[in-house]
Amino acid sequence: DGGITQSPKYLFRKEGQNVTLSCEQNLNHDAMYWYRQDPGQGLRLIYYSQIVNDFQKGDIAEGYSVSREKKESFPLTVTSAQKNPTAFYLCASSRTLYTEAFFGQGTRLTVV
Amino acid sequence: AQTVTQSQPEMSVQEAETVTLSCTYDTSENNYYLFWYKQPPSRQMILVIRQEAYKQQNATENRFSVNFQKAAKSFSLKISDSQLGDTAMYFCAFMNVGYNTDKLIFGTGTRLQVFP
Repeated sequence: DGGITQSPKYLFRKEGQNVTLSCEQNLNHDAMYWYRQDPGQGLRLIYYSQIVNDFQKGDIAEGYSVSREKKESFPLTVTSAQKNPTAFYLCASSRTLYTEAFFGQGTRLTVV
Repeated sequence: AQTVTQSQPEMSVQEAETVTLSCTYDTSENNYYLFWYKQPPSRQMILVIRQEAYKQQNATENRFSVNFQKAAKSFSLKISDSQLGDTAMYFCAFMNVGYNTDKLIFGTGTRLQVFP
């Protein structure tokens, strides 16, 4: 079945460590996104990519990095520079930037 | 800058009744899309309904319909015959279409509880 797969579902990180969240889609979508969700807030855009080998910063890109080497994959690295990384992270994709986004099931990251 | 406002943090409704969730947005653009997403306890974001700004007719999807008032910049979601499975967070979202378009902007959400 087509869809978006995020892994792992839960992730624990020690302070000072980098960690990478995986996002894979088999929908043949061009655009992919990473959002962060905190309690009481809507989704906030971290990074997005319109096409392979290209990506743009969203509203809260500091402390994060991404790559888009393949159309199907858009991994997010949470670096030690991110001061408050504990959150729920959602990956999404859309056929183009102008069509509705479909979401993965999310990764809950906790810093311990 | 575009913004999306959902002024109702929480709503409740009895099963089989109708409930309306409010959303307003701010933009100077004329061509855009509006969406309602549902996030149940599983936290999977699910698209409920979509509205193109150039269409005057309100979108409907089974028990879900919108009241799109472009001049008022209002985009409310009506859920008819509410079911227990409708219990979820509901997010209104906005996407500009045009030269400087690049992202989906979300409101802060409304938590809907459907009671038996």
